[in-house]
Amino acid sequence: SQQGEEDPQALSIQEGENATMNCSYKTSINNLQWYRQNSGRGLVHLILIRSNEREKHSGRLRVTLDTSKKSSSLLITASRAADTASYFCATGEAAGNKLTFGGGTRVLVKP
Amino acid sequence: DAGITQSPRHKVTETGTPVTLRCHQTENHRYMYWYRQDPGHGLRLIHYSYGVKDTDKGEVSDGYSVSRSKTEDFLLTLESATSSQTSVYFCAISVDSYYNEQFFGPGTRLTVL
Repeated sequence: SQQGEEDPQALSIQEGENATMNCSYKTSINNLQWYRQNSGRGLVHLILIRSNEREKHSGRLRVTLDTSKKSSSLLITASRAADTASYFCATGEAAGNKLTFGGGTRVLVKP
Repeated sequence: DAGITQSPRHKVTETGTPVTLRCHQTENHRYMYWYRQDPGHGLRLIHYSYGVKDTDKGEVSDGYSVSRSKTEDFLLTLESATSSQTSVYFCAISVDSYYNEQFFGPGTRLTVL
């Protein structure tokens, strides 16, 4: 079963616009991570947010975490065609060694 | 890419045949993982390893076995492949045992006819 569920499943935007996707999860977590996957490639780690953090930035990426609502959002600002990819959230339930991935959001950035 | 390679990258096989996929890392990380990725299911954990000869099951382990005789190699075996095991298989390593940030290999596309 999936711990994280992304919303929307697919997103189409114009270059320069912002893209926002959400992740909801069911159980308590230690951390939440976002990954990107380009077509036909492996996943690439983007950003990690700890359960005691509320917001984190990395370049054009902004991640928020609301543990009371068991949800996270990933914002990509000023999107580029190269941001076209699938984005996955993954939750770590405890300090340990397993992550549970959601089903992903497919983002298409049109030039 | 954290020095992770997978072999083969593509394989087509017949139902009932054994198949072994190899994951190789060059940086001596302790934790290694095998996932499968299917449309509509995201990534699902098959097996993982926390050291040489130390392995454990993930959520979709039925029909799969693993072995880790050396730190750098993690093998995934389908004892008798079935069409339901047609998938893309990803290996990953963890660089942080506490938060478990993972780095992924390029994947193996397996087709079972």
